[in-house]
Amino acid sequence: KNEVEQSPQNLTAQEGEFITINCSYSVGISALHWLQQHPGGGIVSLFMLSSGKKKHGRLIATINIQEKHSSLHITASHPRDSAVYICAVARDDKIIFGKGTRLHILP
Amino acid sequence: NAGVTQTPKFQVLKTGQSMTLQCAQDMNHEYMSWYRQDPGMGLRLIHYSVGAGITDQGEVPNGYNVSRSTTEDFPLRLLSAAPSQTSVYFCASSYSPIVMPYNEQFFGPGTRLTVL
Repeated sequence: KNEVEQSPQNLTAQEGEFITINCSYSVGISALHWLQQHPGGGIVSLFMLSSGKKKHGRLIATINIQEKHSSLHITASHPRDSAVYICAVARDDKIIFGKGTRLHILP
Repeated sequence: NAGVTQTPKFQVLKTGQSMTLQCAQDMNHEYMSWYRQDPGMGLRLIHYSVGAGITDQGEVPNGYNVSRSTTEDFPLRLLSAAPSQTSVYFCASSYSPIVMPYNEQFFGPGTRLTVL
């Protein structure tokens, strides 16, 4: 069983829809990351969380440490949000990545 | 700041050849790491370093060597390339792997390697 599981693997939605991507992990962690990988391949950090909730523009990330679960929400989705979203957890001195969620927003 | 740079962007090797993928950062980050990304597998840790002179193995280290003689550079060496090493390789760096808020990961643009 993977230590970091993401769902769904693929998601297609219409522009304007509210998007939720889920991440569950099975190990104790010190922090959780959400990253975005653009169609061109570049990877950028969106959020780092150890508790609670963070918001940046239309993106919101939450984490529930007791349930070992995090969600990434996108409000008012737009075609430019189309990308792969990756959840990763920091444990000891390593970072363990989920397989990613491929998001496609249709105009 | 250039951030994290990787060279080359693309490389084709024949089985058995050796080569070095270069990674450099100009942010004075202590933590550097190499990942490979394969379809359906996500990013997998090859080797990492918590500072100059210190390296350790990740999840998939076989066939790869690293060294960290300076804070800035963290090259990845393929000793004898195999088709199974065909992948996209990413280098990343941060001040710390785990301590908030110093653990933001900065990624290089990636190297697409094909081994024939």
